[in-house]
This record gives sequence, C-alpha cells and structure tokens, in this order.
Amino acid sequence: DAGITQSPRHKVTETGTPVTLRCHQTENHRYMYWYRQDPGHGLRLIHYSYGVKDTDKGEVSDGYSVSRSKTEDFLLTLESATSSQTSVYFCAISESSEQYFGPGTRLTVT
Amino acid sequence: GDSVTQMEGPVTLSEEAFLTINCTYTATGYPSLFWYVQYPGEGLQLLLKATKADDKGSNKGFEATYRKETTSFHLEKGSVQVSDSAVYFCALTLPQGAQKLVFGQGTRLTINP
Repeated sequence: DAGITQSPRHKVTETGTPVTLRCHQTENHRYMYWYRQDPGHGLRLIHYSYGVKDTDKGEVSDGYSVSRSKTEDFLLTLESATSSQTSVYFCAISESSEQYFGPGTRLTVT
Repeated sequence: GDSVTQMEGPVTLSEEAFLTINCTYTATGYPSLFWYVQYPGEGLQLLLKATKADDKGSNKGFEATYRKETTSFHLEKGSVQVSDSAVYFCALTLPQGAQKLVFGQGTRLTINP
C-alpha cells in the first residue's frame, strides 16, 4: 500500500470555525490531491498540488484553501466551516496516471 | 467538460452471478480509464485501468474493455463473491499535466450468499 496517512480521521466542528486537515505521504510523489465524497456525486476534486508551493483549484474549491510547504505534506483548510462542507475528505498522491488514496477524514460541521 | 456516467445503484446479486456495471464517458481528448473500488470504511483502491482504445484491464477476476466507438468502459465479472460487496467508481483522466481524475457517481454492489 502507498504510504499515505490523513489526520484527523474524524472531526466534529461548529459552523464558522476554522479546520485544517493534513495529508502526509512517504512516497515522495510529485502530485497530491484533495477530494470530497458525497452521496450521488462520487468524488470531486477540491485542490491539487504539482510541487512544493505549487497548487491549483479543482472543481469545488470555493471555501477551501491549501498549502504545500514540503513534498510530503498537503494541508486543506476550511477558513470558516459551513454545514455544506460536511463530507468525507480523501487525499491522493500520484507520480503517473495512477492515483493512490488515503483512508479519508470524516468531517461533520454542526 | 469531461464527465463519467455510471449505472444507477444499488445493485444486489446472489453469489456466483454475472456482474456488469455500465460506464460511459465524455472527454475532449484521449483519456485513460479506471475502475476504483471502495470497501466499507476504507479509501479507494485502483481495481484496473486501460490507457488506449481496445485495451482490456483486468484484476481479481474483473475485466473492462476500453471501447472508443461507444465511449464505454463497462466492468464485468463472471462469478461474484460476497467479498466483492463494495462501491465501484469509474473514472477518467487526460494524459497531460496534473492528470486530474473525473469520477462517476459510484455504484454500490451487494452480494448475498
């Protein structure tokens, strides 16, 4: 299995609070991605990174920001969480066309 | 834009039945096609892939053939097992740049003994 961890694995937070999710890899892959999974929508890309400090928006980036200061870490931040951001968040890494996924973080915004 | 459409679920079958999960795509270029599987409480795992027309991807008894003429990549298995119960996602990526995945909505499969 690809060395990808996500933290926390579960989080409950209140509307309006900031939240940061962490993705850590041990594979030294160039590309890292954040997706959200919601019923009926499959997975949708939030942001991705193609190198240290190189990031770009995905399909559903509003309300999210990311940072990548080291190859191994990719952070996803919800500046002010809303109930519509309740979801399961997956990180993925790749060096070619195949992506490898982390175990996910279940976020509930009350 | 690029998109993937999967057959609606959930799908419920008996053990040893034949499985087909339909997947069609729309893409502006020549995509690579994938099937991912998600077991309960876990992340997604790559099941199989095909990178060009007429390629057949296979793994764990599952197969899918890249059909450019019908823009399809249907997943098949001849004899399913209870352990195949999971959610299956069809996806595509275009072979340039960051190779972002575009997913279908997923199909939940339940196999009864």
